[in-house]
Amino acid sequence: GAGVSQSPSNKVTEKGKDVELRCDPISGHTALYWYRQSLGQGLEFLIYFQGNSAPDKSGLPSDRFSAERTGGSVSTLTIQRTQQEDSAVYLCASSLGASGTVYEQYFGPGTRLTVT
Amino acid sequence: AQSVSQHNHHVILSEAASLELGCNYSYGGTVNLFWYVQYPGQHLQLLLKYFSGDPLVKGIKGFEAEFIKSKFSFNLRKPSVQWSDTAEYFCAVHSSNTGKLIFGQGTTLQVKP
Repeated sequence: GAGVSQSPSNKVTEKGKDVELRCDPISGHTALYWYRQSLGQGLEFLIYFQGNSAPDKSGLPSDRFSAERTGGSVSTLTIQRTQQEDSAVYLCASSLGASGTVYEQYFGPGTRLTVT
Repeated sequence: AQSVSQHNHHVILSEAASLELGCNYSYGGTVNLFWYVQYPGQHLQLLLKYFSGDPLVKGIKGFEAEFIKSKFSFNLRKPSVQWSDTAEYFCAVHSSNTGKLIFGQGTTLQVKP
């Protein structure tokens, strides 16, 4: 079946502009995660959604970052007033569940964001 | 706070050499442990996982990992690497309390033919 998809695959933007990154999780997966992968930094947790529960936003680095998940499916990560340090690969993952029961996370191909 | 530490950042091996990548975590509660792999140009994918039971876990492509609770470690091993094992390897710990997956910084493995 279809895996996690993300768009765009690459995004180049000017400093100060807003960007939106999209994630389509695997159908039926109730949990959705966003991570940031920077060179030499590993994967940094940003936010996750579990069903209809309030999202865990504890990993968002600043108030310029926000995310929403509409209808329990597609998610959009928005970065306002982008800065050069926001340049990274943004990964989305989904799983059947999250807290209480452990499920494998399936990752998308990522969006490579470059802020010039 | 939970953290995951991978000691080797860049490992270079010749084919047929044995591999061991270190992973240590800090978390006092029940943990579930994972190794993910990212081959060049591909998505992150699961290599193996430990939830409970036998602390020696076998994964895909001949990889295995051993959970040693007393050492808070979950090292990845393979007796004989191949050129196709060239990739980046990530150790991760999942907390069932928070639902979060915390990753280590990753280890880049380069296998020379």
